[in-house]
Amino acid sequence: GQQLNQSPQSMFIQEGEDVSMNCTSSSIFNTWLWYKQDPGEGPVLLIALYKAGELTSNGRLTAQFGITRKDSFLNISASIPSDVGIYFCAGRYLNRDDKIIFGKGTRLHILP
Amino acid sequence: DVKVTQSSRYLVKRTGEKVFLECVQDMDHENMFWYRQDPGLGLRLIYFSYDVKMKEKGDIPEGYSVSREKKERFSLILESASTNQTSMYLCASSSRDYGYTFGSGTRLTVV
Repeated sequence: GQQLNQSPQSMFIQEGEDVSMNCTSSSIFNTWLWYKQDPGEGPVLLIALYKAGELTSNGRLTAQFGITRKDSFLNISASIPSDVGIYFCAGRYLNRDDKIIFGKGTRLHILP
Repeated sequence: DVKVTQSSRYLVKRTGEKVFLECVQDMDHENMFWYRQDPGLGLRLIYFSYDVKMKEKGDIPEGYSVSREKKERFSLILESASTNQTSMYLCASSSRDYGYTFGSGTRLTVV
């Protein structure tokens, strides 16, 4: 099945550093979504983007819907220990069956 | 808050057993999905349903079936569990306005 190219696969950073991750696709999406999954839990929606060029923030998180509608990035500023987890991007087609295509995830580790 | 509830957090089953994973959502969402999550492979869609009694195969339906007799409930069935079906299983429901809401997952081990 189709998947998005999400990078990097994993990151090791120091607490307080900024983080950046991105997703690219060969397909155009109507919506880009970013999810976070804590260990042992299901993914939780962080940010949803609905328009090309849209830049949206949620606390220390900022995400953008690329102008071409084929890419998106997520930035986390001043990382803290609870940011540890797996971050998934997802592209959504707003059609009848509402399928979402997920990236393989970026696993964020924060070094003490 | 939208809630998607998966009946078990952890399951251990024997090879060859028939396994039922249950998922219930409380927000009247039409669409429901089953994924499995494995290290390095991300989330892979097994089956989805966009209405009661309707089902569509996802990317990896082999060895699985589903049932949606009521709008709020979507069941994943492993007809004869095998060790390669050991995985984390995630259920989700969706609305056009909000996107997907996931359950907490069921970690299934087949021995």
